[in-house]
Amino acid sequence: AQKVTQAQTEISVVEKEDVTLDCVYETRDTTYYLFWYKQPPSGELVFLIRRNSFDEQNEISGRYSWNFQKSTSSFNFTITASQVVDSAVYFCALSEARSGGYNKLIFGAGTRLAVHP
Amino acid sequence: KAGVTQTPRYLIKTRGQQVTLSCSPISGHRSVSWYQQTPGQGLQFLFEYFSETQRNKGNFPGRFSGRQFSNSRSEMNVSTLELGDSALYLCASSLRGSPATNEKLFFGSGTQLSVL
Repeated sequence: AQKVTQAQTEISVVEKEDVTLDCVYETRDTTYYLFWYKQPPSGELVFLIRRNSFDEQNEISGRYSWNFQKSTSSFNFTITASQVVDSAVYFCALSEARSGGYNKLIFGAGTRLAVHP
Repeated sequence: KAGVTQTPRYLIKTRGQQVTLSCSPISGHRSVSWYQQTPGQGLQFLFEYFSETQRNKGNFPGRFSGRQFSNSRSEMNVSTLELGDSALYLCASSLRGSPATNEKLFFGSGTQLSVL
C-alpha cells in the first residue's frame, strides 16, 4: 500500500543552521511523483518541488536542496542557512500514476519546523 | 494572476446540518481537487474533478459530495454534519491534473469548518 512517513514531528533550530527534513515513501507503482509542500500559519500549501520516479537528479534551488534516492525510498529536503521565515509545517507527498490522477496526493504527517532568531 | 480562492474562510455549523464550500481555481485550470486536514488524520484526499466529471474519489462516506461547474469552479457539500467533520478543507487546482506534464498543484488557504 502507498504510504509516506515523516518521522520528525518537530524540529527546532537557530537561525543560520542547516536543517534536513526526512521523508520515506512506500509504493508498488513503478511510476510515481513526489512533492514537498510548505504550510505557513496562513494555511495554504505552498508548492516547493516535484520529482518524477524516473528522474533521480537531485536539485539545488537557492537555500533549498533535495535528495531523492529510489534505493532507499527517500526524498529528503534540506534548508541551508535557515531563516525565521522558513518556520512552517513541511509536508512530503506521493502520487501514483496508477491512481488515475496526478492530483490524488498521499501526504505524510508533516514536520513542524521552528527557526529561532 | 489570482490564486485559488476558497469561500468562506471560516464556518461554524451544528451537528446534523449541511454545508457547502466553494472553490474558484486559478484561471485556466480545469482540474480541482479537495482535501480534508485534521490534527488526527492529517491531510486526506476527498475527490478530484476535471471538466465537470469526478475522476477520483478518496475513502470518505457518501455524506461528502462535490461538483464542478462549466467555468471550473467547484463546490463540495457535507450533509448531516458530525463533530468529526471539523477540519480545514483545502481546495487545489492544476491545468489538467495530468502526470504527463510538469504542471504544479496550487492550493487555496482553505475553509475552516467547526461543527458544534
